[in-house]
Amino acid sequence: GENVEQHPSTLSVQEGDSAVIKCTYSDSASNYFPWYKQELGKGPQLIIDIRSNVGEKKDQRIAVTLNKTAKHFSLHITETQPEDSAVYFCAAKEARMGYSSASKIIFGSGTRLSIRP
Amino acid sequence: GAGVSQSPSNKVTEKGKDVELRCDPISGHTALYWYRQSLGQGLEFLIYFQGNSAPDKSGLPSDRFSAERTGGSVSTLTIQRTQQEDSAVYLCASSFTSGRSDEQFFGPGTRLTVL
Repeated sequence: GENVEQHPSTLSVQEGDSAVIKCTYSDSASNYFPWYKQELGKGPQLIIDIRSNVGEKKDQRIAVTLNKTAKHFSLHITETQPEDSAVYFCAAKEARMGYSSASKIIFGSGTRLSIRP
Repeated sequence: GAGVSQSPSNKVTEKGKDVELRCDPISGHTALYWYRQSLGQGLEFLIYFQGNSAPDKSGLPSDRFSAERTGGSVSTLTIQRTQQEDSAVYLCASSFTSGRSDEQFFGPGTRLTVL
């Protein structure tokens, strides 16, 4: 099955600086890579995702890059703000023959991001 | 519209007791997932329901854990003979399938404490 590793486990950056979180996955057939943000006391919420036919995707201050050959994908947050402080999870969706979307999503262990004022 | 709801929000129980956790997914979502999140840890996959297919139970940690989904909607996660290591936040998520969208929508979770 799929295995997702995420680094770093904690990250502290100065407000206004950039933050980068990196993940690797094991199953080369995985085809969908979402990123979730979890604020204290709440469930995770999708912030951006990328599919295996795309190398990069950007949404305002957030961008995700995917290197299929190396099985790496990364989240980049620019011009960080206090409200970016949260736990971020990467994930990868297993690909199953005959089940186009009917497969589970495996999450990384999370990165606790703190923005210093 | 209404999101994913879970009940209870908090549950304190004694070791050895059984507990039931409930999840109400978003209407129309055919996929439903249960995850366990221990303090400061990641999301541990437990079980996945997809329409009328047999559930993927590969993440259930022991035979004390079971889940069902009635009528393709509400799901109940049952933990029998609870142990202290079962203490965690149990998260439920639902999503569309059939290529419409892969986004999972999470509920707020149930915090389970086993004394």
